[in-house]
Amino acid sequence: GAVVSQHPSRVICKSGTSVKIECRSLDFQATTMFWYRQFPKQSLMLMATSNEGSKATYEQGVEKDKFLINHASLTLSTLTVTSAHPEDSSFYICSTTQSATEAFFGQGTRLTVV
Amino acid sequence: GQQLNQSPQSMFIQEGEDVSMNCTSSSIFNTWLWYKQEPGEGPVLLIALYKAGELTSNGRLTAQFGITRKDSFLNISASIPSDVGIYFCAGFHSGGSNYKLTFGKGTLLTVNP
Repeated sequence: GAVVSQHPSRVICKSGTSVKIECRSLDFQATTMFWYRQFPKQSLMLMATSNEGSKATYEQGVEKDKFLINHASLTLSTLTVTSAHPEDSSFYICSTTQSATEAFFGQGTRLTVV
Repeated sequence: GQQLNQSPQSMFIQEGEDVSMNCTSSSIFNTWLWYKQEPGEGPVLLIALYKAGELTSNGRLTAQFGITRKDSFLNISASIPSDVGIYFCAGFHSGGSNYKLTFGKGTLLTVNP
């Protein structure tokens, strides 16, 4: 299956700072990537769809100015959590799909804001 | 949005026992996927189902795509301690955005040695 590499796996930052998470598709060109957020013992919640060369599409209730998404190349999408607060602490996961047949996920990023 | 109803929410079993979990939906899905997620990791794809009625195995895992395309089950036979994790069903919805996945809420599996 497709390999999706997400970095970093863990990050601790201070309140008010920004954190960038990278998601790379290693073995195919991904025009679309997805960013999810997951709270403990809960399912994945789709935050936004990242589209190469165009603006991301955000799900209802997700602040686009808070969670900046850039998909500048066919193999890389980034999620930047701006002015992070403790309530932004969560597990963030990216995924990609070549077609609507399979979806592959990155390893996830545990963000802790202190 | 579309929802997948996954059950049971959690299971506590003894090593060697068989496990069954399922997902249902009120709407039709084109593709059903089963994932396993371990703590601190992203979900890993276990089985993908594409055709109504399809029965697919992957080692000790067996999954089926319901005839109505509205349900699926996953069976794990002869469970072992490393089967511990959260299992999610997911699907690509027919008629909706072709690239968005809908997830079930997950089944937390605990296997006692």
